[in-house]
Amino acid sequence: DAGVIQSPRHEVTEMGQEVTLRCKPISGHNSLFWYRQTMMRGLELLIYFNNNVPIDDSGMPEDRFSAKMPNASFSTLKIQPSEPRDSAVYFCASSPLGQITSGGLISTDTQYFGPGTRLTVL
Amino acid sequence: GQQVMQIPQYQHVQEGEDFTTYCNSSTTLSNIQWYKQRPGGHPVFLIQLVKSGEVKKQKRLTFQFGEAKKNSSLHITATQTTDVGTYFCAATGTASKLTFGTGTRLQVTL
Repeated sequence: DAGVIQSPRHEVTEMGQEVTLRCKPISGHNSLFWYRQTMMRGLELLIYFNNNVPIDDSGMPEDRFSAKMPNASFSTLKIQPSEPRDSAVYFCASSPLGQITSGGLISTDTQYFGPGTRLTVL
Repeated sequence: GQQVMQIPQYQHVQEGEDFTTYCNSSTTLSNIQWYKQRPGGHPVFLIQLVKSGEVKKQKRLTFQFGEAKKNSSLHITATQTTDVGTYFCAATGTASKLTFGTGTRLQVTL
C-alpha cells in the first residue's frame, strides 16, 4: 500500500490567495483527519470525517478554512483567503476503524499520517 | 474538554542514558496511543494500550498504562541517536475523540 498521499508537499503563496491541500487516504480506511502543526501550538486536530461525513469541525480556526470529502478516496482542505499566520505543516491521517460514540464523538484505531504539506504564506 | 499533558517538553541526553516521558489526562481514558515523529517527518504509530496497568515492550521501549487509566509513560533504555525525535501520546476518553498530547522532544548526543 502506498500509504496516505498528500499534495503538494510544499506550498508558498502570498497573503490573500486561495490554497487547496489534497489528501488520498489509505484504501479501506473509513476515517480521515486533518491536522495542523506549528512550533507554538503543537499538533492541532482541525476536522475529521467518518465514512466521508464531517463529524467534528470544532478545530477549524475560522470561516476561512473549509474541508470536503467528496468520496472515500479524496479530501481537500481549503484556505481562502490565506494569511501569514496560517503558515504551518498540515497533515492528513486516515484510520481503519472509526465509530460514532455518544454525543456524536468518535473513537478511533491507529492513525496513519501522510508526509504533510508545508505551507508558507508570505 | 479532555486535556492531555506531556512532560517534559524537551530532554537532552547522552547516548546510553535512559529517557522517560509522561502523559497525564484530566479524565479517565479508554485507550492511549504513542507516536514518534522524526525531525522533518510525520507522526508514526508505535503502540496502543487499552487495559488498566498494561505494560508493553518493543525492544528498548517500555510503555505503561496507569492503573487508574489517567496516565501513561514511555521509557527508553540506553538511548541511541536513532531515538531522536518528538514522542506524542494520543488519548481517547470514554466519550471523546482522540486528543494528542503536547509532545516531548528528545535529543541524543554522543
